[in-house]
Amino acid sequence: DAGVIQSPRHEVTEMGQEVTLRCKPISGHDYLFWYRQTMMRGLELLIYFNNNVPIDDSGMPEDRFSAKMPNASFSTLKIQPSEPRDSAVYFCASLPGTSGYTGELFFGEGSRLTVL
Amino acid sequence: AQKITQTQPGMFVQEKEAVTLDCTYDTSDQSYGLFWYKQPSSGEMIFLIYQGSYDEQNATEGRYSLNFQKARKSANLVISASQLGDSAMYFCAMRDFQTGANNLFFGTGTRLTVIP
Repeated sequence: DAGVIQSPRHEVTEMGQEVTLRCKPISGHDYLFWYRQTMMRGLELLIYFNNNVPIDDSGMPEDRFSAKMPNASFSTLKIQPSEPRDSAVYFCASLPGTSGYTGELFFGEGSRLTVL
Repeated sequence: AQKITQTQPGMFVQEKEAVTLDCTYDTSDQSYGLFWYKQPSSGEMIFLIYQGSYDEQNATEGRYSLNFQKARKSANLVISASQLGDSAMYFCAMRDFQTGANNLFFGTGTRLTVIP
């Protein structure tokens, strides 16, 4: 089975530009998570969805960040306008929704964003 | 609130020796899960091992074992017979099942270097 697929793998953009990161979760997984990894803050949860509905977006840093999940197989994380401090690796992860499942999150390979 | 603490920013181990990576956690819940992930220099997050709070036996997966001490709230990862390919960042993480949230809280990680 295909894993979690993220695109782009690398993005270099200039300050002020819009950035869109994409994620396709594993088929059948009900939960989707967006994490951000930086040297200063480590791995932090930005937002997660259950059955396409945002459940917890308390980690979204500010209004410049938005995330959507229009269907079970696709999610986007958008930054507009981007700033240099947004430079980070953004991970998408998914999780089965099976009742009682206690296993691991399945991570994509990450999208490395550099804002100049 | 800090939920996962990894006090060792970096560790060195001789090839073929065993190494223990420390992890302590903080929760008032009775039902939770503890996870270890490996992140090599290529950047992906690789799941290693899982321990449930009600599991009486320490989890083992090949050369990985989890030294779970519930009363001390510690979940240390033991890697036996270290290999050069074990050089990576290692993250401890926790999920609280009682809260119903499914996201993982990550520690700051330990960078392991295996010396030939």
